[in-house]
Order: sequence, then C-alpha cells, then structure tokens
Amino acid sequence: RKEVEQDPGPFNVPEGATVAFNCTYSNSASQSFFWYRQDCRKEPKLLMSVYSSGNEDGRFTAQLNRASQYISLLIRDSKLSDSATYLCVVGMYSGGGADGLTFGKGTHLIIQP
Amino acid sequence: DAGVIQSPRHEVTEMGQEVTLRCKPISGHDYLFWYRQTMMRGLELLIYFNNNVPIDDSGMPEDRFSAKMPNASFSTLKIQPSEPRDSAVYFCASTLGGRHNEQFFGPGTRLTVL
Repeated sequence: RKEVEQDPGPFNVPEGATVAFNCTYSNSASQSFFWYRQDCRKEPKLLMSVYSSGNEDGRFTAQLNRASQYISLLIRDSKLSDSATYLCVVGMYSGGGADGLTFGKGTHLIIQP
Repeated sequence: DAGVIQSPRHEVTEMGQEVTLRCKPISGHDYLFWYRQTMMRGLELLIYFNNNVPIDDSGMPEDRFSAKMPNASFSTLKIQPSEPRDSAVYFCASTLGGRHNEQFFGPGTRLTVL
C-alpha cells in the first residue's frame, strides 16, 4: 500500500468553479500534514499546513480527518493561476526507513477559461 | 535571503560519468534533504542531514549514490557511475527546527544521462 495516495487527475475545471480533492495516508501515527503546490518544471512550494480543526486561507480550505486518514483541499472561485499540481504531504514516523516528509505523487489541476 | 541554491540547473552527461550536484541551504536551517522526482515515482526522499550529520540514507537507491555535507552551508550529491535510469530532477530542500516542518526547496537540477 502506498504511504500517501492521491488521484493523479487531471482535473479539468472551468474558471470560477469550486474544486476539491483528497488524499489518504497509511500511517496512523503521522503528525504533520501539508498541501504543496508545484508548477510545471518548478520546485514544490508550501501552499498551506493542515490542522486537525481545519483551516482556511483565502479561497483555500484544508481539512484533516484522522479517523479515516484522509486530507482534503477545497479551492473556491478557481482562477487560471491555480493550474498546477497539488502535492499532499505527510510527516511520517517510521521505525527504520527514510523519514522526513512523504509526498504524494500529486493531483494535476487545469483551470479552463 | 536567496533561498535554497542548487547547481547546476541542468546537467547532461553520458552513462558511466561521474555527476556531482550541489546545494546551499537557507542560512540557519539545520535540516537538509535530497529528493529525486520522476514521473513514474514522484518525489522520493534520498537522504537527509541534521546539523551536517547524515541521519537516514535508506532512500539512496544504491552504492553509486553518495551525499556529503562538509559544513552548514554546502552539500553535494554524487552519482558514480551514472546510468540512464538516474535521469530525473534532483531537489535539495532545507528546514529549521524539525524534519516535519515546512521545507523550502531549491529550483532543482535536471539530470539527463545518455
């Protein structure tokens, strides 16, 4: 089972629409959660951290469901500039393997005019 | 701050050659990470350092790969000998205070091994 799973998309969404995507993680002991954004041929950049109580940053809302081990990202009033790949990121704790943050493969979002 | 700096930005080499990738983390950051990104496998953690000490290198694919951090402001990732399957984008990232905190990525090195 993959540690962090995301629907790769692409999600094709008209400008102004609301779009949501989820990811699931396998390690129930995970402690930190993030959404990163990666533009084509660029480095990943932090979009927002995800807190247990849920959090909002402008048009973006992130939710964490620890019981079901999934994280969601909601984008309202989508803009053309939102087109990017969104990476779900989890701070995994493991007894032996590589530690640090574990990145999902990303969900590709295309906002269409 | 200039952010994380990586060089070269692009590298094209032939199979069997040695490749050295360089990274300068953000000043004051105590964790440094090396990642590899491919379409097939996504972003994979190769190795990370804390205060210049390698903590976990279990993500390094094989003995052909090695990484060093001789001081707080410089790290290298070396591949010797390189193979076509090493072609990928290699990112360096740094963070302050904890391996699960926000990581700041460099622009990456796009490596092509012919």
